[in-house]
Amino acid sequence: EAQVTQNPRYLITVTGKKLTVTCSQNMNHEYMSWYRQDPGLGLRQIYYSMNVEVTDKGDVPEGYKVSRKEKRNFPLILESPSPNQTSLYFCASTGPGQEDEQFFGPGTRLTVL
Amino acid sequence: AQTVTQSQPEMSVQEAETVTLSCTYDTSESNYYLFWYKQPPSRQMILVIRQEAYKQQNATENRFSVNFQKAAKSFSLKISDSQLGDTAMYFCAFSAGAGSYQLTFGKGTKLSVIP
Repeated sequence: EAQVTQNPRYLITVTGKKLTVTCSQNMNHEYMSWYRQDPGLGLRQIYYSMNVEVTDKGDVPEGYKVSRKEKRNFPLILESPSPNQTSLYFCASTGPGQEDEQFFGPGTRLTVL
Repeated sequence: AQTVTQSQPEMSVQEAETVTLSCTYDTSESNYYLFWYKQPPSRQMILVIRQEAYKQQNATENRFSVNFQKAAKSFSLKISDSQLGDTAMYFCAFSAGAGSYQLTFGKGTKLSVIP
């Protein structure tokens, strides 16, 4: 089954404790990205990757890191989480032939205390 | 930079009735894609319908259709014969195409279908 997976689905952590949210897709897509969703703000892009070893900032990159060492994986790293990073996070992927349709993971609910 | 505006934070409709969700956008691109995504309480993002800007014909998917007015930069979603399962947050989104892939979202419209 073609899908984007994210782990964990739920995470409660404390300020300053490094964490990683994993994202993996099995559709051989070149493009992957991370979004955060906050009430009243919609979804905003954090980082994106056009291919392996190619990443770039989206609209709200502060406090986040990413890496793209393999085509299928695109982890999101919060090295020192803060309460304002409490949010719902989505990973998405797409590629040529998809007519820009992005396939979303199930979301990760992160709470930073 | 592109912007997407959804002016209706919340809407409600009676079951079996028709409802229209509004979306306007701003861009200097000539060819692009527009999308409506549905987010039910499960939080999954589900593509409802897609429109390519160079296609004049409005897209339709079963009970869902759009009214795409390119000159007015308007992209509204019409849901016919509303069902309880249509209760969800709906997001309008823009993609500049040409391999850029970045989606710009509106803030969403929360739709409630009333029995």
